[in-house]
Formats: sequence, structure tokens, C-alpha cells
Amino acid sequence: AQSVAQPEDQVNVAEGNPLTVKCTYSVSGNPYLFWYVQYPNRGLQFLLKYITGDNLVKGSYGFEAEFNKSQTSFHLKKPSALVSDSALYFCAVRDMSTGNQFYFGTGTSLTVIP
Amino acid sequence: ETGVTQSPTHLIKTRGQQVTLRCSSQSGHNTVSWYQQALGQGPQFIFQYYREEENGRGNFPPRFSGLQFPNYSSELNVNALELDDSALYLCASSPGPGQGQPQHFGDGTRLSIL
Repeated sequence: AQSVAQPEDQVNVAEGNPLTVKCTYSVSGNPYLFWYVQYPNRGLQFLLKYITGDNLVKGSYGFEAEFNKSQTSFHLKKPSALVSDSALYFCAVRDMSTGNQFYFGTGTSLTVIP
Repeated sequence: ETGVTQSPTHLIKTRGQQVTLRCSSQSGHNTVSWYQQALGQGPQFIFQYYREEENGRGNFPPRFSGLQFPNYSSELNVNALELDDSALYLCASSPGPGQGQPQHFGDGTRLSIL
């Protein structure tokens, strides 16, 4: 069965420090992996995706993510956090063998402390 | 470029009633997916429409149904509303149903069931 786990409900980081939001996945085939961000009372905004190729993917707003096949992980990172990065972050996976459905994690609330 | 728009933004219904939610896809996008996001949870896939045909369905009962129109806009219909249907309903569009395509989300319709 396909699934996504975000082990941390809440992550706090000081402004200017590096941040990491963790994601692990389980799929029967090869994964397509995505990160989205959600601000209060808004829909989800696409940050980045991994389809194939380089394991380090760069996305919007200075975010990047590292795909690790052996650990089935796709952690979101940013070298220097901004207060405006405070939001809810969702990891999602699509299984290449089953097609259309996105499976989302339960989300991680990121708070960047000034 | 016009993004994904959803209407209404908020809706209050009572148990047993029926509701229709509407979504206009982003310009150039022919694929629409619907998600249910309960409070504190990640989005759950309801179904996807591609060129006016259902193109995948999640684990939701038949009282959740949909339509896609020739202009690629879409409706989500829910019959016999239950208290557990209270959630944020998100519509997402993409340029095609391909698995590598990121989805672009609207801001959602907040449905409350009394």
C-alpha cells in the first residue's frame, strides 16, 4: 500500500538557521515525490518535485529536497530559515504503477522564531 | 494566468442535505482532482476528472460524485451529508493526468455540517 509519513507534527527553528522537514514514503513501484506548503485559510502551493535524476532537487523560495532511495526518504531543507517560511508543509507521493492518486502526509507545522 | 478558483468559500449545511461545490481550473489545464482535508489532516484524494471522464477514485462512497464540463471546470456533489463530511474541500488542476505533473490548488471550500 502507498503511504507517506511525516514523523514530526511541529518543527521550530530560529530565523537564519537551517531547517529540515522530514518525510518517508512507501510505494510498490517507483515514486514521484512532491512537497507543498499551505498557509492559513489557503490551498496548497507547489514547492518542488522529484521524478528522476539528481537526488537533490531545488524548488521555490530557496527550498530543496533530497531523495534517498535506500532510506525511502524525501526530506525538505532550506539553508537559512525566514519568519515568512512559517506554514504547514505536506509531503506527497504518486506511485508510478498506480497512476493518478496523490497520497499526502499529515503535515508538519513549521514555526520560524525571530 | 488565472489560477484555480473555487466557490463558495464557505458553506453550512445540515445532515441529510445535498451540496454542490464548484471549481474552475487554471487556464490550459484539462485535469481536475478533488480532495477532502479534515481538520489537522492531510488532503485525501476523492477523484480525478480528465477530459470529462472520471480518471481515478479514492476510498470515498458513491454519494460523492462529480462532473467535468467541456471548459474543464468541475463540480463535486455530495448527497446525504453526514457530520464527518465537515472539512475543507480542495480542487486541484494540472495540464494533464501525467504522474509527473504537479497539481495547482484552489483555496478550497470550507463545508460545515450541523
